[in-house]
Amino acid sequence: QKEVEQDPGPLSVPEGAIVSLNCTYSNSAFQYFMWYRQYSRKGPELLMYTYSSGNKEDGRFTAQVDKSSKYISLFIRDSQPSDSATYLCAVRPKTSYDKVIFGPGTSLSVIP
Amino acid sequence: DSGVTQTPKHLITATGQRVTLRCSPRSGDLSVYWYQQSLDQGLQFLIQYYNGEERAKGNILERFSAQQFPDLHSELNLSSLELGDSALYFCASSVEQNTGELFFGEGSRLTVL
Repeated sequence: QKEVEQDPGPLSVPEGAIVSLNCTYSNSAFQYFMWYRQYSRKGPELLMYTYSSGNKEDGRFTAQVDKSSKYISLFIRDSQPSDSATYLCAVRPKTSYDKVIFGPGTSLSVIP
Repeated sequence: DSGVTQTPKHLITATGQRVTLRCSPRSGDLSVYWYQQSLDQGLQFLIQYYNGEERAKGNILERFSAQQFPDLHSELNLSSLELGDSALYFCASSVEQNTGELFFGEGSRLTVL
């Protein structure tokens, strides 16, 4: 079993739709949770960073973490064509020097 | 622009050869990470350095090595290249050594023929 799993998509939605991206992880030692966005031919960029269960909102983006289910979600409201990218969830244990582990990513296309 | 600079952007070489990829972290960042991204494997952690010292090692092959220099730039050396080493190689940096807030460069695309 991979440490972090995501549905690879591709996911295609019309402009203005609410998008739900999901991720599961296997190890309860993971305490920090991130979402990165990667445009084609570019490096990933950090979107959201959280360490607790519950919701964290930033503009049109909401990250949701359920540690009991080992489940992470990213919601995008009023999706725009500029949101078309691959979304990578990432996790990290609390201990020092440990690597950040990325999921395989979900490819999203927002159609005008 | 993340502030992380990687060179070269593209590299085409032959099997058996050796290449060096270079990374300059964001100003003030002490920690450098190297990742490999391929279509079938996703983003795989290779190695992390903090202020010149190796801190964590991932799925890095013995044919690969890295170092971080006193000026904090880092180099990833890939030797005895195989077709399967063709991938995007990303460098990322962060202020602290154990944060998930990584700032990625635009990557070096390596093609081994």
